[in-house]
Amino acid sequence: DVKVTQSSRYLVKRTGEKVFLECVQDMDHENMFWYRQDPGLGLRLIYFSYDVKMKEKGDIPEGYSVSREKKERFSLILESASTNQTSMYLCASSAPYRDRGLYSPGYTFGSGTRLTVV
Amino acid sequence: AQTVTQSQPEMSVQEAETVTLSCTYDTSESDYYLFWYKQPPSRQMILVIRQEAYKQQNATENRFSVNFQKAAKSFSLKISDSQLGDAAMYFCAYRTDPYGGATNKLIFGTGTLLAVQP
Repeated sequence: DVKVTQSSRYLVKRTGEKVFLECVQDMDHENMFWYRQDPGLGLRLIYFSYDVKMKEKGDIPEGYSVSREKKERFSLILESASTNQTSMYLCASSAPYRDRGLYSPGYTFGSGTRLTVV
Repeated sequence: AQTVTQSQPEMSVQEAETVTLSCTYDTSESDYYLFWYKQPPSRQMILVIRQEAYKQQNATENRFSVNFQKAAKSFSLKISDSQLGDAAMYFCAYRTDPYGGATNKLIFGTGTLLAVQP
């Protein structure tokens, strides 16, 4: 019954490597999000996308980029990984707003990728 | 900009007792959604309860209920008859009502780690 799948649960990469975090959803949601979770800081939005090939910066986009070539897949890219990008990364998706009575405003989350950069 | 504050980094409750987790938020908007998410050690974010700001009645889901005070911008979560499985990190979150094309971003607090003592 998994609806948002993140390709890796744990990942260890070296400083300077290019890192791809993959996220796939099977709910036909238009909106997809990447968050970073750190102790004491909660979840912070990195990037989001509301349509194929569309993307918008969140609150902490520096050092990251994203790709959304297909509706169901949203990739987070660390162009040159650094140790301060060691964190938990959470992907989420949500339905678009249609009608208040039918609208489900919650997100569906993946189970996270714990990335360690050494 | 909207902000969400959780002032209790950690809480503890005895099994079968009641505990209340606090959350305050800041916004100039009148229509929005509020959520409580649970993140157990499995890392899967689970939606516990949600509240629409335009509804005066407090939301309830089984043992979970909220005290929504719109004027005070307060949104606390009450867990009754606490169970060992309730032990988790709890996040309060805010989302703008997207009617009219507003942003879909979900803004999180820093979380409260709840321990349940047997």
